[in-house]
Amino acid sequence: ETGVTQTPRHLVMGMTNKKSLKCEQHLGHNAMYWYKQSAKKPLELMFVYSLEERVENNSVPSRFSPECPNSSHLFLHLHTLQPEDSALYLCASSQVDGLYGYTFGSGTRLTVV
Amino acid sequence: KQEVTQIPAALSVPEGENLVLNCSFTDSAIYNLQWFRQDPGKGLTSLLLIQSSQREQTSGRLNASLDKSSGRSTLYIAASQPGDSATYLCAVKTGANNLFFGTGTRLTVIP
Repeated sequence: ETGVTQTPRHLVMGMTNKKSLKCEQHLGHNAMYWYKQSAKKPLELMFVYSLEERVENNSVPSRFSPECPNSSHLFLHLHTLQPEDSALYLCASSQVDGLYGYTFGSGTRLTVV
Repeated sequence: KQEVTQIPAALSVPEGENLVLNCSFTDSAIYNLQWFRQDPGKGLTSLLLIQSSQREQTSGRLNASLDKSSGRSTLYIAASQPGDSATYLCAVKTGANNLFFGTGTRLTVIP
């Protein structure tokens, strides 16, 4: 596979569930990102990992917990979410500092019931 | 804080027409600007990347320009096709980890 792959494509979870989103990039990039896209709002940056270290946590509630075990994989662990957390979650990767642009995955559509 | 605005929010044109999408940003100290396409419920597909030192980039029927000093970029689509129907997003990069997005222009090309 090439590019940035996200799984699952769709996820429905209850407020008491625990689930994880997975992202994998095959581009040799060394920075990875989680973005949240809600209806009629600009994409919001959630987390940034550069060289496998978290370099930014954009005031995201602790019910979202990222993990970056290596430069090719990124996870977003979810627990006790709220209905307002329903959104499209997008993963992206780039070279460090993103000076050559970002590549995005297809996203995970999350619905919290 | 950088703010990115895209006008219009929605645009409907007949097939074959040339069109221009606009993007403006408030802080001209950017590293680059990237245009993306997003189909409904899908991820973002990169169309064009313009570095801050460049004035324009072209790919097929697409041409993007950048006027950094005035905080503006345009995406020109020539001879539009129904398959061009999507939401177009511009994003500007400022600082090490900051990519600021507009809310997009939803384009519909009518056959």
